[in-house]
Amino acid sequence: GAVVSQHPSWVICKSGTSVKIECRSLDFQATTMFWYRQFPKQSLMLMATSNEGSKATYEQGVEKDKFLINHASLTLSTLTVTSAHPEDSSFYICSAAGLVSYEQYFGPGTRLTVT
Amino acid sequence: GNSVTQMEGPVTLSEEAFLTINCTYTATGYPSLFWYVQYPGEGLQLLLKATKADDKGSNKGFEATYRKETTSFHLEKGSVQVSDSAVYFCALSEGAGNMLTFGGGTRLMVKP
Repeated sequence: GAVVSQHPSWVICKSGTSVKIECRSLDFQATTMFWYRQFPKQSLMLMATSNEGSKATYEQGVEKDKFLINHASLTLSTLTVTSAHPEDSSFYICSAAGLVSYEQYFGPGTRLTVT
Repeated sequence: GNSVTQMEGPVTLSEEAFLTINCTYTATGYPSLFWYVQYPGEGLQLLLKATKADDKGSNKGFEATYRKETTSFHLEKGSVQVSDSAVYFCALSEGAGNMLTFGGGTRLMVKP
């Protein structure tokens, strides 16, 4: 089956610093990648959709200058949380979809804690 | 717009009990329907899916049938185990772009 990895699995950073999270599709080419945010005991909130080689499409209310998304290749997308603050602490999950399949394959998530 | 509504949890059951988690949806066309499971501290795993009316998705003893007439996709399992304790998300996907619309999630706790 399709495998999506995320790195790191958890990260602690100081307020004001930037953190980069990687999302990789290991055995298929992902034309579209999605980034979600999940608060404790809540559902997933779609942050943005990115297609390889083009700018990400952000959902309403998501600051694109704060959450920088790059999808430079068919197997890698990155989310950079810039100037992180404690309220950015959350569980970030990526998913990837290929050209043909309607399915999204999810990564294991990255827990970000900003102190 | 599209939406998914699922029963609020937590649902607490004893081992070997019958499980039903209700899910209804609103969509403009003919969506594909999914159930995802999230174990503590992990990402989402696809549990089962159905792509058209009357399809039944099944996996690991779980089943759900795509009911167009009632716009429902209820998740069932005949005999739950402690290892089934997790959060279950109902979702739909419609149109181009593979975008998923999730329900709020239902936490299942199975006690031995």
